[in-house]
Amino acid sequence: EVQLVESGGGLVEPGGSLRLSCAASGLTFSHAWMSWVRQAPGKGLEWVGRIKSKTDGGTTGYAAPVKGRFTISRDDSKNTLYLQLNSLETEDSALYYCTTEGRFCTGGLCAEYIDVWGEGTTVTVSS
Amino acid sequence: QSVLTQPPSASGTPGQRVTVSCSGSSSNIGRNYVYWYQQLPGTAPKLLIYGNNQRPSGVPDRFSGSKSGTSASLAISGLRSEDEADYYCAVWDDRLSAWVFGGGTKLTVL
Repeated sequence: EVQLVESGGGLVEPGGSLRLSCAASGLTFSHAWMSWVRQAPGKGLEWVGRIKSKTDGGTTGYAAPVKGRFTISRDDSKNTLYLQLNSLETEDSALYYCTTEGRFCTGGLCAEYIDVWGEGTTVTVSS
Repeated sequence: QSVLTQPPSASGTPGQRVTVSCSGSSSNIGRNYVYWYQQLPGTAPKLLIYGNNQRPSGVPDRFSGSKSGTSASLAISGLRSEDEADYYCAVWDDRLSAWVFGGGTKLTVL
């Protein structure tokens, strides 16, 4: 069974930084594409960004609101995903979920999808 | 304002069939697979439907998905009290190069 455990959340002042971690187990982490999704209190889900596996290039992609401020990285030797949050704004306050991206194939075509979710870690940006 | 549009709420009585709609555009639903997630109160979201209409193992066949053009729907038949949750549609948007979610639909079982 795939398990994702996030940590590193907390209270930080506007303009501050934080690094979130996600420890993964039950999967071949080095082959996995991973995403971060956040949910502000009482609001809906918002994709933050993703990182592909190194064998698929290891490239990252980000949502417009966080591009240039957040950075996703991975340490395959530790089965751990990271999210570096810089220049934090009050609007970044949310529960941050670590997710796997699964892949399914049909008719010769394959597609990724957000699959397993962790329980999340809370980031609060406030002075 | 979400890229995908869902009704904020839906309701039904036990045993009824309810549907939740998700409207998008040619850059997302119009060309990519749609996914649905169920978020029970106080818990993380869980994958309910992938590839427009496929159920992961363990998801009851009371849940079904469909897609037509730039819209998609989630149907829940034989409604149960434990189905009371928030439901989100999601799809990859080729123009934004990003996953986009609907605003969520809160389902109440009366």
